[in-house]
Order: sequence, then structure tokens, then C-alpha cells
Amino acid sequence: QSALTQPASVSGSPGQSITISCTGTSSDVGNYDLVSWYQQHPGRAPKLLIYEVNKRPSGVSNRFSGSKSGNTASLTLSGLQAEDEADYYCCSYTGSRISFGGGTKLTVL
Amino acid sequence: QVQLVQSGAEVMKPGASVKVSCKASGYTFTSYYMHWVRQAPGQGLEWMGIINPSGGSTTYAQNFQGRVTMTRDTSTSTVYMELSSLRSEDTAVYYCARSYFDSSGPDYWGQGTLVTVSS
Repeated sequence: QSALTQPASVSGSPGQSITISCTGTSSDVGNYDLVSWYQQHPGRAPKLLIYEVNKRPSGVSNRFSGSKSGNTASLTLSGLQAEDEADYYCCSYTGSRISFGGGTKLTVL
Repeated sequence: QVQLVQSGAEVMKPGASVKVSCKASGYTFTSYYMHWVRQAPGQGLEWMGIINPSGGSTTYAQNFQGRVTMTRDTSTSTVYMELSSLRSEDTAVYYCARSYFDSSGPDYWGQGTLVTVSS
């Protein structure tokens, strides 16, 4: 049972935008601007997409963006492409440890 | 370039211990924390703990307290994760992953090490 709650699945058509939510509590997501997002393709290691809520590492497409409101963080992916089909995980500092969300499977229709 | 290269797959008996290594290169080893994260087949990511390669201090997730030990060897820029009293539920891919702050999610990840626990 993950401390952070994500929808199990989302889907969208090429070119569309989707948003994945990550709901925590006032002890983690709501208390720290230390939310990260990862993309994981089957059989591969996770890849960092967003850190500190809304910052993108060098080399990550600007189609990925992050935000936070209260205890819920969100990852928005615009201009969906076939290669975006993957699992996505949020991650937050909890004051003493790191916690991951349960993951969301993105299907590009 | 940053590289985290992990040791190879392991098959272990229940009750045994396994030690996975993670050799870092391409950056200053002692300037970044190292996390260990595991992923059971078809499941999500589970944070196991973190080690500070500079001083060797560790913080373990409650689920693994008493069973996991993280160590480092600064002479070879390698961190190790040992998990004891293995059970079938420990079958998973184990990843090392670095971060600049202990409160940050990791930025670079190793390739993963599959540990299979089976009698």
C-alpha cells in the first residue's frame, strides 16, 4: 500500500493532453516542494521527468510539466506521442524518508 | 557521464542473504546520496533506504528495518545493499539511484539487479 495515491491508469489519443494526479497528505506532498515524477518503460529503469514539483532536468521534453495544489501533485503531458506509453510514478519527501506512488499506466490509444 | 553499474542477477534460497553492489562513476561519489529502491514483478517502486557515501550514515524504511544493511567503499566508489532472511516476497528488481539531497527523489538510476528467491 503506497503512501501516495495515483490513478491506476489513464489514456489519451496522440496529440491530446493528459494529467496524472498524486495525492498525499499534509505530511508529505502538502508540506514539501519535493515532488518528483518518473517515467518507466517495460524492462527499463525509471527516468526522472520532473523534480521539486515543476522543474525539468536538462534533456527532458517541455511536453512534461508538473504542478501542486495542497496535498495533490500533478504531472501533465501534452501532445501525446506513442512513445509516451509507459508507467509513471510520483515520489515525495515525507520528512524522514522518500515515498513513491503506486504508479499510473499511460495508454496512448 | 554519470553511470551506476549494478552487479548481476542472483538466485537465492529462502532464509539466505543477498548482497547487491552498485559502482558509481562520472561524478564525485561522496557528493551524492544513494537510494535503494525495489520493484517486485508487475508492481510499483518501493523505497528501501538511503546511504550517505561521505560518512556512511544510513536511513532505512520501516518495512526493512533489521533486515537491510547499506554500506559503501569510497576507495572503489561502490555502495552495497545486503538483505537478509530472504523470503519469496523479496523477489524483485533492486535499483540503486543517486540524489544530491537526502530529501530529493533520485536523478540517475542503475540498471537494476534481479533477485529471485526460490527453493
